Amino acid sequence: GAVVSQHPSWVICKSGTSVKIECRSLDFQATTMFWYRQFPKQSLMLMATSNEGSKATYEQGVEKDKFLINHASLTLSTLTVTSAHPEDSSFYICSARDRVWINQPQHFGDGTRLSIL
Amino acid sequence: QKEVEQNSGPLSVPEGAIASLNCTYSDRGSQSFFWYRQYSGKSPELIMFIYSNGDKEDGRFTAQLNKASQYVSLLIRDSQPSDSATYLCAVRGSGNTPLVFGKGTRLSVIA
Repeated sequence: GAVVSQHPSWVICKSGTSVKIECRSLDFQATTMFWYRQFPKQSLMLMATSNEGSKATYEQGVEKDKFLINHASLTLSTLTVTSAHPEDSSFYICSARDRVWINQPQHFGDGTRLSIL
Repeated sequence: QKEVEQNSGPLSVPEGAIASLNCTYSDRGSQSFFWYRQYSGKSPELIMFIYSNGDKEDGRFTAQLNKASQYVSLLIRDSQPSDSATYLCAVRGSGNTPLVFGKGTRLSVIA
């Protein structure tokens, strides 16, 4: 089945640090990947749609200069949280869908738990 | 604005019973419907998807879709304590659009 690998699983760092999260589709190619954020006991919130070879599309209220997205290939998207602060602490999850079978489900990575001290 | 509504729960059922989870959506043009399960602290995992009106069965799980009523449900037969989780309903329109998620229903199966 479709596998999405997300790395790292956990990050703990000081305020002001920039953190990069990688999302890879292991056995399929993904023209589009999606980045979500989830705060404790809340629902998934779509942050942005990452498009291979072009700029990401950000949801309303998400700062594009704060959350840099790069989708350099059909199997890799990265999310960089720049100058992270404690309020950025959250569970970040990427998701991807096979570019061929676009009606198929989105598959999720295992998520990255980010804690900013 | 596209919305997906779910009862937040918690929904408590005894072990062995049928759990019924419901979801309504606002966008009549929605094409694809998904149920994900999310354990606490974990990312969502896909349980089932359905595209056509009617029922779709997979093991202990049955998804039901009624596009006229804009309603989708998930039935879990012979519920087990390991089924205790938050169940997310997700809906997608046409084309390469992202899923719209409901806020999830927390299910608790009591042994």
